[in-house]
Amino acid sequence: AQSVTQLDSHVSVSEGTPVLLRCNYSSSYSPSLFWYVQHPNKGLQLLLKYTSAATLVKGINGFEAEFKKSETSFHLTKPSAHMSDAAEYFCVDALGSGTYKYIFGTGTRLKVLA
Amino acid sequence: DAGVIQSPRHEVTEMGQEVTLRCKPISGHDYLFWYRQTMMRGLELLIYFNNNVPIDDSGMPEDRFSAKMPNASFSTLKIQPSEPRDSAVYFCASSPGFGEQFFGPGTRLTVL
Repeated sequence: AQSVTQLDSHVSVSEGTPVLLRCNYSSSYSPSLFWYVQHPNKGLQLLLKYTSAATLVKGINGFEAEFKKSETSFHLTKPSAHMSDAAEYFCVDALGSGTYKYIFGTGTRLKVLA
Repeated sequence: DAGVIQSPRHEVTEMGQEVTLRCKPISGHDYLFWYRQTMMRGLELLIYFNNNVPIDDSGMPEDRFSAKMPNASFSTLKIQPSEPRDSAVYFCASSPGFGEQFFGPGTRLTVL
C-alpha cells in the first residue's frame, strides 16, 4: 500500500540555523507531493507542492523541497529557522495524479530554540 | 474570502448524545473533505464530496457517522450516538480541483 514516511517525529533547531525535515514516499508511479504546516490549534496550510515541472520546489516563508526520484524522497528545508516556524509539518502524497485522496505522513514537530 | 468556516470550534458532549459538526467551504470550490485527527491515528480522510455528491466514504468509521452536503455552501458531519473514542479534532477542507486543499480551523470534539 502507498505510504508516506516522515523519518523524524520531533526536530529541534536553534533560531537562525538550517531546518531539514525528511519525507520518503512509496508511490510506484509519479507521485503528487505536498508539504503542509499546522500551527497550534489551527488548520493545515499548504507550504509547497511538487507538480513534476521542477524537482526543486519553492514555497512560502522561505521553505523549499527537492524531489529525488532515485531516493523516493521529498525533504523540506529552510536556510534559517525563525521562531514562528515552530509548528507541525506534514508530508502528503495524493493517491495518483488526478485523485483527491491524500495520504498523510505522521507529522514532524519542529521546535525552534532561542 | 473568509476561508473555510467550521462550527462549533469546541464541543463537549456526553456519551450517547448526537453531535453535529458544520462546515462552510470556500465559495466556488467543488470539492469538500472531512478529516479526523487523533494522536494515535494522525489525519484520516473520512469522506469527500464533489459538487455536493459523496464520492468516497470508505474512511467513515462506522454507521454512527454520517455526512451530508445539501448545497454547495454547507456540509454536516453527524455522529449518533457519540462515544468517547470519537474524541478528536475534525477538519473540513475544500478545494477547487486537484492540488491544494484549504483547511478550516477544526472542531475539537470531546465525548465524556
